[in-house]
Amino acid sequence: RKEVEQDPGPFNVPEGATVAFNCTYSNSASQSFFWYRQDCRKEPKLLMSVYSSGNEDGRFTAQLNRASQYISLLIRDSKLSDSATYLCVVNTSPGTYKYIFGTGTRLKVLA
Amino acid sequence: DGGITQSPKYLFRKEGQNVTLSCEQNLNHDAMYWYRQDPGQGLRLIYYSQIVNDFQKGDIAEGYSVSREKKESFPLTVTSAQKNPTAFYLCASSTTGGGPEAFFGQGTRLTVV
Repeated sequence: RKEVEQDPGPFNVPEGATVAFNCTYSNSASQSFFWYRQDCRKEPKLLMSVYSSGNEDGRFTAQLNRASQYISLLIRDSKLSDSATYLCVVNTSPGTYKYIFGTGTRLKVLA
Repeated sequence: DGGITQSPKYLFRKEGQNVTLSCEQNLNHDAMYWYRQDPGQGLRLIYYSQIVNDFQKGDIAEGYSVSREKKESFPLTVTSAQKNPTAFYLCASSTTGGGPEAFFGQGTRLTVV
């Protein structure tokens, strides 16, 4: 089993739709979780950190479910500019500096 | 402006040659990382370093070497022992582990010709 798993997609959604991605992780001791966005042929950039209580940033909401060992990203009112690959990132070994990336979920928002 | 700088952006290498990718950061971050990304795949960790003069192998370290002589610099050498070196290489840095996010350079696209 991979340490961090994501559905690769692509998710093709119309503008204005709500879309959600999940990411599962295998190490129950993991403590830090992030969502990164990566545009084609560019470096990943932090979208948001994921806190235990859940957090929201505009149209984006991130949730952590420790019991089931997954994090989620919800995008409301999708824009064409949201088209990208969304990477789930987990620090799987607390006390170390290792960030493990999922393979990413590709989102295409269609006009 | 603070950030991470990778150079060159594009690099072509002949088979059998070693090549070194540069990564410099002025964020005063302790930890630095090298990842490799292949088309349609996620990032895989090659090496990481928590402090100067110390580094650890990641999941795919074979055929690569690194050094960390200065806090700001973490160069990656792709050796001739790396059988499939064509990929997108990303350098990142972070402050303390387990909390703050990692920041990335713009990447180096290496092609073996």
